[in-house]
Amino acid sequence: QVQLQESGPGLVKPSETLSLICTVSGGSLSTSYWSWIRQPPGKGLEWIGYIHYRGSTNYNPSLKSRVTMSIDTSKNQFSLKLSSVTAADTAVYYCATYEAYSSGHFFGYWGQGTLVSVSS
Amino acid sequence: QSVLTQPPSVSGAPGQRVTISCTGTSSNIGAGFDVHWYQQLPGTAHKLLIYGNTNRPSGVPDRFSGSRSGTSASLAITGLQAEDEADYYCQSYDGSLSGVVFGGGTKLTVL
Repeated sequence: QVQLQESGPGLVKPSETLSLICTVSGGSLSTSYWSWIRQPPGKGLEWIGYIHYRGSTNYNPSLKSRVTMSIDTSKNQFSLKLSSVTAADTAVYYCATYEAYSSGHFFGYWGQGTLVSVSS
Repeated sequence: QSVLTQPPSVSGAPGQRVTISCTGTSSNIGAGFDVHWYQQLPGTAHKLLIYGNTNRPSGVPDRFSGSRSGTSASLAITGLQAEDEADYYCQSYDGSLSGVVFGGGTKLTVL
């Protein structure tokens, strides 16, 4: 079974760039799509975007101007960068596998999540 | 404000049946995009419970079932057990927003 683990700084200053890595075990990145999701405290889940193992990406239009995702299949890792962060970007960030077909898109496996706070 | 609407909480006694609704619009569930459900037990990762409206991944008990009709979907849990106490989220795709959308989550309490 695929397992995912998020890692990165738990505190980021306003206007700086949030950077997270997701390490995948029990499976190869070279088979599918990989995604990031976040959940601000007390609020609902928000899809950030996905990346294909060949490098193509699709981002949430509301975050597109600030998001960059990349993938390193040799390390079995994919990453998220979110620039110009504000307090509104404080959230638990999750990485997940992403399945897409003609009438559906869903997340098969999730990481435990990591809390990132934006504060000076 | 989540795009899909779920009740904040539901409850039921052990052995009972509960349902959790998920209401969308003509640009997501009503447009024919499938609905998927996730369970988040306290302190654990989200787990895929139902995909493609009605399908259970291997290992998910048949006490859990999903349905979709019109602009809404439902998750039903029969034979409620204490270990079912968790947060449940519905998810679909929105053609107008060009992205994945979620419900706000429902906390299930087993009395």
